[in-house]
Amino acid sequence: GIQVEQSPPDLILQEGANSTLRCNFSDSVNNLQWFHQNPWGQLINLFYIPSGTKQNGRLSATTVATERYSLLYISSSQTTDSGVYFCAVEQYSGAGSYQLTFGKGTKLSVIP
Amino acid sequence: ETGVTQSPTHLIKTRGQQVTLRCSSQSGHNTVSWYQQALGQGPQFIFQYYREEENGRGNFPPRFSGLQFPNYSSELNVNALELDDSALYLCASSLAHPSDTQYFGPGTRLTVL
Repeated sequence: GIQVEQSPPDLILQEGANSTLRCNFSDSVNNLQWFHQNPWGQLINLFYIPSGTKQNGRLSATTVATERYSLLYISSSQTTDSGVYFCAVEQYSGAGSYQLTFGKGTKLSVIP
Repeated sequence: ETGVTQSPTHLIKTRGQQVTLRCSSQSGHNTVSWYQQALGQGPQFIFQYYREEENGRGNFPPRFSGLQFPNYSSELNVNALELDDSALYLCASSLAHPSDTQYFGPGTRLTVL
């Protein structure tokens, strides 16, 4: 099956710093989503981004599908940005459905 | 508009027992997917339901089964529980089929002793 690799696995930032999280995938995909999982386990959608660049406040994402990677940028980080960031790619799984395959995540800790 | 809800929040079972987890999809969403997330790992796809039928399945044994109801809510049933079934179980719903943004519920944390 498809491999999804996220880097770095762990990241510690001083509040106010910027960061870039990377997601590499091993095969062509139908779509890609970025999620933030808070300490209580809730997965929150950040971006649905099959290609191109999107921005939402201090966050932006870029997917280059032809080169099989996506980047998530966090600017002026805040302590509330702490948590685990997941990249998930969508592929056709047969019987008319698409399934998400997740990476192992990047654990971000933002310290005051 | 209510989001995806799941019940119960937490559950403790013993090995060999059976468990049923429940999910209410976001209003208007007709597709529900279930995921298992072990500690320190990303979620893994279990199966997907669309219009009350399973139409996609990950690498999980048959003792993992599900249902979707006419109101698009869903159940995940796990028989003959094993210690490795301890995990966070996440339900996600989406508006369009077969491909659309998936919105996740808060999860059910299952502990098998």
